[in-house]
Amino acid sequence: DAMVIQNPRYQVTQFGKPVTLSCSQTLNHNVMYWYQQKSSQAPKLLFHYYDKDFNNEADTPDNFQSRRPNTSFCFLDIRSPGLGDAAMYLCATSATQYQPQHFGDGTRLSIL
Amino acid sequence: AQRVTQPEKLLSVFKGAPVELKCNYSYSGSPELFWYVQYSRQRLQLLLRHISRESIKGFTADLNKGETSFHLKKPFAQEEDSAMYYCALRPSGGYNKLIFGAGTRLAVHP
Repeated sequence: DAMVIQNPRYQVTQFGKPVTLSCSQTLNHNVMYWYQQKSSQAPKLLFHYYDKDFNNEADTPDNFQSRRPNTSFCFLDIRSPGLGDAAMYLCATSATQYQPQHFGDGTRLSIL
Repeated sequence: AQRVTQPEKLLSVFKGAPVELKCNYSYSGSPELFWYVQYSRQRLQLLLRHISRESIKGFTADLNKGETSFHLKKPFAQEEDSAMYYCALRPSGGYNKLIFGAGTRLAVHP
């Protein structure tokens, strides 16, 4: 009974070819987050949505965008992936801004 | 700067031995600290948070503001404790941003 679902689990794209990663949730949580985790490194917050309000971290590259068309879905768009964008991308949700975060299984992105 | 440091990439112990996973943080305010765990082929999940002051699966962690530490401890390790453990900090005020450490892999041998 997965509550935060990320698709696909593995994604391969070509250098410079736009790619979209998907996250959905059945928890009806207000807040959704996207983290990037490179090999052997800490997960790093890219941005989050509080309801429809988008909040970008200051050091998130412009190459990364996000959409949240409704409460259940949130997308991560990488406009022109570079080799340095190969990573695990984690989606998380929380009921409010002060409640613990629930994570999905992640999508591992490879760049050819 | 806000930072979480987990000095050990790998901690290897035998079943029944005590375990201490170290976590130090750098933050000028009053943060909230968490431990997340990731078992093999499973998602990252919350293990415990310092404000709860509870023991989960035999693990405890005490926030030491003087030493800016939040070490995770268990008196007797079990094989099923083998996993990746991440310490995380949430700055006070503002939104629910988590700053993670790089993680420590705990391997418990029979």
